Amino acid sequence: DGGITQSPKYLFRKEGQNVTLSCEQNLNHDAMYWYRQDPGQGLRLIYYSQIVNDFQKGDIAEGYSVSREKKESFPLTVTSAQKNPTAFYLCASSIGDPNEKLFFGSGTQLSVL
Amino acid sequence: AQSVSQHNHHVILSEAASLELGCNYSYGGTVNLFWYVQYPGQHLQLLLKYFSGDPLVKGIKGFEAEFIKSKFSFNLRKPSVQWSDTAEYFCAVDRSGGYQKVTFGTGTKLQVIP
Repeated sequence: DGGITQSPKYLFRKEGQNVTLSCEQNLNHDAMYWYRQDPGQGLRLIYYSQIVNDFQKGDIAEGYSVSREKKESFPLTVTSAQKNPTAFYLCASSIGDPNEKLFFGSGTQLSVL
Repeated sequence: AQSVSQHNHHVILSEAASLELGCNYSYGGTVNLFWYVQYPGQHLQLLLKYFSGDPLVKGIKGFEAEFIKSKFSFNLRKPSVQWSDTAEYFCAVDRSGGYQKVTFGTGTKLQVIP
């Protein structure tokens, strides 16, 4: 089945530690996105990538980093500089046309120990 | 900056009641508008979208939304809700003409009581 796979489903981070969230899609989509979902704040865009080897900061990129070395993969690293990392992280993809919808993964819940 | 406002954070309705969820956006140019829904334990999925033409758009499961350009609004409606409509609803806006970059509202949790 085509879709977006996020792993792990739950992740715990210790103080000062970097952690990486995985996002893989087999939809052959050019565009991929990372959103952070907090209660009462909706989804906020962290980073997005329209094409391989290119990515742009979203609205809340500080403390995060990404790479896009392959079309199907868009991992997100939550660095130690992100002081409030506890949130639900959603990866999405699309063909990149503004008229088209986003396809979402099932999300990763990140918590700080 | 482009922003999307959803006025109702938590709505509780009885089955068969009518629903209207408000959504306003701040961008003045051409926009594409979406409503996404997240049912308990499921992925976010598209409910309906508007990008041109008839400002009244119909989506899945009997939902519809009306784009009123003069009011910068895209309210979601359903004449008669069901218990299975219990979910969180997100309005989203994408500025047309450029690379896709979707801004979401804060979401509205709808609870339908049988």
